[in-house]
Amino acid sequence: SQQGEEDPQALSIQEGENATMNCSYKTSINNLQWYRQNSGRGLVHLILIRSNEREKHSGRLRVTLDTSKKSSSLLITASRAADTASYFCATDADSGGSNYKLTFGKGTLLTVNP
Amino acid sequence: KAGVTQTPRYLIKTRGQQVTLSCSPISGHRSVSWYQQTPGQGLQFLFEYFSETQRNKGNFPGRFSGRQFSNSRSEMNVSTLELGDSALYLCASSLAGGSAQPQHFGDGTRLSIL
Repeated sequence: SQQGEEDPQALSIQEGENATMNCSYKTSINNLQWYRQNSGRGLVHLILIRSNEREKHSGRLRVTLDTSKKSSSLLITASRAADTASYFCATDADSGGSNYKLTFGKGTLLTVNP
Repeated sequence: KAGVTQTPRYLIKTRGQQVTLSCSPISGHRSVSWYQQTPGQGLQFLFEYFSETQRNKGNFPGRFSGRQFSNSRSEMNVSTLELGDSALYLCASSLAGGSAQPQHFGDGTRLSIL
């Protein structure tokens, strides 16, 4: 089963607007990561947030984690056309305690229109 | 530092054949993970290797196998190819693996089965 599920599946905004993507998971986690993928390329790591953290920032990115609701959100502020990509969350929720397996959601396709 | 290198980038095979994909991790990284990405199933974990040992395995049939060499380079093999094996195969490396470390992805091998 998919442990990380992103919402919405697709999001289209204008340059300069903020974009918010959400991720939900089903069982307890140790860590949650967000990645970006441009079409036909590999994934690029954005932010890692640990289960005892509630918020992290990196440049225009802000990630929150609510373990009581088993959800995380990724906020991209002042979006640019270059932010157009698919965004994935990944957790270790389905790793059987080994912590060596990341389970990815199906992603949110973000389109930023110039 | 050179990134994760996957070869070949594109591959076309026919049903019943077998294929070997190669992944060279970032220098110093000892953990290599493999993923299959398809439009329908998204990113699915295949297996993870560390110091030549497989530490975790996803839910794939035995036709999918892998190995890691002493220099941390990794290969995955798919035997008796089926049409459904058409996908982008991604490998990712990290220092020691685990969900507490970011994974660095290659650009993948796109495998097409005719």
